[in-house]
Amino acid sequence: GESVGLHLPTLSVQEGDNSIINCAYSNSASDYFIWYKQESGKGPQFIIDIRSNMDKRQGQRVTVLLNKTVKHLSLQIAATQPGDSAVYFCAENLRAGGTSYGKLTFGQGTILTVHP
Amino acid sequence: DVKVTQSSRYLVKRTGEKVFLECVQDMDHENMFWYRQDPGLGLRLIYFSYDVKMKEKGDIPEGYSVSREKKERFSLILESASTNQTSMYLCASSSTGRGWEKLFFGSGTQLSVL
Repeated sequence: GESVGLHLPTLSVQEGDNSIINCAYSNSASDYFIWYKQESGKGPQFIIDIRSNMDKRQGQRVTVLLNKTVKHLSLQIAATQPGDSAVYFCAENLRAGGTSYGKLTFGQGTILTVHP
Repeated sequence: DVKVTQSSRYLVKRTGEKVFLECVQDMDHENMFWYRQDPGLGLRLIYFSYDVKMKEKGDIPEGYSVSREKKERFSLILESASTNQTSMYLCASSSTGRGWEKLFFGSGTQLSVL
């Protein structure tokens, strides 16, 4: 079946380093992607999104890269801070589907730990 | 500041009990969602609603029902709780139209069914 794949990896970095969190998606027809951050004890929070007609989008300290050739999505966090420690989820949607809501499919999550 | 409030942070129930999980949003959003979150499985959609009194099944609706009598409130009902429904339940809301995928989540309810 179609799925967004993260196998709950963990990533440990030192404060100030750059972090890269990866996500592989299997539905080549997906045309919209979104990253969420979930801190301990809280619900997921929107970080950044990207449409399939783009290959890069930048936010504040975060950049999302989309490689449609290999169906890969990544989230780059610059100058990682302890407050960035969280679980990060990617999600995909097929907006071009028959309904206006499509289906938002979440990956399993990556645990990011930032050491001071 | 946008807010989605779930009525309970922790809940312990017995097998067979009827369980109500309540969610209220103050953003006048049309869409509301219920997800469950289990380790290694990510977020799975149970039900969603795009308008008052409207509901649509998600990926795992079995054993659940929902109610949306008012725009700001979306309730998840476990008619007869079972141990395999022990999970973290997350409510979310979003505005309608393009960009609906930008969900605003509550802090979750950790439900334990004994």
